[in-house]
Amino acid sequence: QSALTQPASVSGSPGQSITISCTGTSSDVGGYNYVSWYQQHPGKAPKLMIYEVSNRPSGVPDRFSGSKSGNTASLTISGLQAEDEADYYCSSYTSSSTVFGGGTKLTVL
Amino acid sequence: EVQLVQSGAEVKKPGESLKISCKGSGYSFTSYWIGWVRQMPGKGLEWMGIIYPGDSDTRYSPSFQGQVTISADKSISTAYLQWSSLKASDTAMYYCARQGKELAYWGQGTLVTVSS
Repeated sequence: QSALTQPASVSGSPGQSITISCTGTSSDVGGYNYVSWYQQHPGKAPKLMIYEVSNRPSGVPDRFSGSKSGNTASLTISGLQAEDEADYYCSSYTSSSTVFGGGTKLTVL
Repeated sequence: EVQLVQSGAEVKKPGESLKISCKGSGYSFTSYWIGWVRQMPGKGLEWMGIIYPGDSDTRYSPSFQGQVTISADKSISTAYLQWSSLKASDTAMYYCARQGKELAYWGQGTLVTVSS
């Protein structure tokens, strides 16, 4: 199963909004409402930020939101803060496996 | 509090065997799948496979099938990832995570270095 496609990098200034896309196929992203997003700071374990396309775990700021249209899911971060600078990975659960995106490096200018 | 605590860093030579561990606490270990994820140096996350400790049902990513073995000992709430013959290309950070439709809780990672 091929990795999901994410942009290698995105950037934004504090206070701005950014969106990271995650493109798959009808066999993964498009076929299930089980897209999740993870934040990873350097040297740290990934942290779940969004699950089931648009749900936030307890403790994740509401600046983080998720959506999906067809085979493409998106993570939007509004009101960018310096601590949001990190790598972000999308993931899709399927009936037989889980697949990750290649990751997107977010730089807060 | 859900916690997954992984075993410590390992330095091995090519051809050696290795088994790393992931101990769960704060929840019913036999009721949730445990997944393993590889992260090679400077690279992204790769899903390797999962195990259901309740009955040891195990599934592998095609990329890792035959390359590693995932197991669990429910009596001590511990999952394992093992290699029979390591290669330099196995050098990576390995994470375990409690997995449902998402990987909600992660271990701290185990760094495996394979070098002659």
